[in-house]
Amino acid sequence: GQNIDQPTEMTATEGAIVQINCTYQTSGFNGLFWYQQHAGEAPTFLSYNVLDGLEEKGRFSSFLSRSKGYSYLLLKELQMKDSASYLCASMDSNYQLIWGAGTKLIIKP
Amino acid sequence: DAMVIQNPRYQVTQFGKPVTLSCSQTLNHNVMYWYQQKSSQAPKLLFHYYDKDFNNEADTPDNFQSRRPNTSFCFLDIRSPGLGDAAMYLCATSRDSGTGADTQYFGPGTRLTVL
Repeated sequence: GQNIDQPTEMTATEGAIVQINCTYQTSGFNGLFWYQQHAGEAPTFLSYNVLDGLEEKGRFSSFLSRSKGYSYLLLKELQMKDSASYLCASMDSNYQLIWGAGTKLIIKP
Repeated sequence: DAMVIQNPRYQVTQFGKPVTLSCSQTLNHNVMYWYQQKSSQAPKLLFHYYDKDFNNEADTPDNFQSRRPNTSFCFLDIRSPGLGDAAMYLCATSRDSGTGADTQYFGPGTRLTVL
């Protein structure tokens, strides 16, 4: 079956760094997406990885290891506005997104 | 700004009373999606369109129907809403680049309450 695993909830301190992990098992693989979703709002696109390695985009970076079926999202210099759910989604061989349930990130002052 | 718009943002309906949710986009994307998302759960794909080509997910109940009269608009009809259909309904679009691995862009969602 197809499956995405990510932690349910994480807590971090303002100004710190946090890493949100995601493991995936999908029928085929056409890339790994990360989305941010604030409570009651729609997901917004953060990053896309299809090749192994680290992609940096400002305070956010995303890493992919295809051989391990593993990705992480790294958030630096955390701000209170980063409090949100972070959704990992793998694109399968049919180009359908298989979504995780999201990791709720709580930022404390 | 190019965007995905959903109306209404909040919809209250009664058990069994048909409801229609709408989505429009100015991105000129030819792929449109409807997702259902319940609290703290992953979005669940209900159906999607490649242009006018409709694709229904195997486990989408018959109670859910969709229409796409043109490129810009897409509708979700819930024929007889049940209490279990209370959720956030998300519309998303993507362009068909030919590679298949296209980013989906979401509207703000419609939160449906069933009384």
